Amino acid sequence: SQTIHQWPATLVQPVGSPLSLECTVEGTSNPNLYWYRQAAGRGLQLLFYSVGIGQISSEVPQNLSASRPQDRQFILSSKKLLLSDSGFYLCAWSVWTSGSFHEQYFGPGTRLTVT
Amino acid sequence: DQQVKQNSPSLSVQEGRISILNCDYTNSMFDYFLWYKKYPAEGPTFLISISSIKDKNEDGRFTVFLNKSAKHLSLHIVPSQPGDSAVYFCAASAANSGGGADGLTFGKGTHLIIQP
Repeated sequence: SQTIHQWPATLVQPVGSPLSLECTVEGTSNPNLYWYRQAAGRGLQLLFYSVGIGQISSEVPQNLSASRPQDRQFILSSKKLLLSDSGFYLCAWSVWTSGSFHEQYFGPGTRLTVT
Repeated sequence: DQQVKQNSPSLSVQEGRISILNCDYTNSMFDYFLWYKKYPAEGPTFLISISSIKDKNEDGRFTVFLNKSAKHLSLHIVPSQPGDSAVYFCAASAANSGGGADGLTFGKGTHLIIQP
């Protein structure tokens, strides 16, 4: 069965510090991978998605970046965090099923607090 | 501009009764809809989905209804149980977005509270 891991679970970082969040998926090959953010009182906002190694698409302008160095690894980074980067970050995966990628499965999330 | 709207931030239902969560969308290109359940400090869990070629999909206690002309869908939970207390997110995708490859659009969620 497939599993998805995210770490760390929680993180407190000062403004201006760098960020690296990691996500790995097990039990599947060539998944689509996604980073979402849930800010306080808001829904889930898609940040990045990747359909393959080295292929990254960004949905919103921001000071975050993403990379996919391996098939089942997805990394979210920032060179300098802002207060507005605080939130709950979620990684998700999907595979081609019945003619679509629609159903996505989420990891446990990382709670980031920028102080 | 919010393309998927859940207008009720919270809903309180008595245990054993039916819970009805509503969702509206504005993008006519959406053709696949999903419901997720989320507990605090956890990732969302996929519950049930429906394609736009259907108007109803049922899985155990969960049923999703889709009204394409009204651009409205609802999730029915019956009977409601204490473990159903969580935040429920409605999500949508479009086939022309790479078959859904480029992600889901989520509503803001409805916090369902099941009272004993």
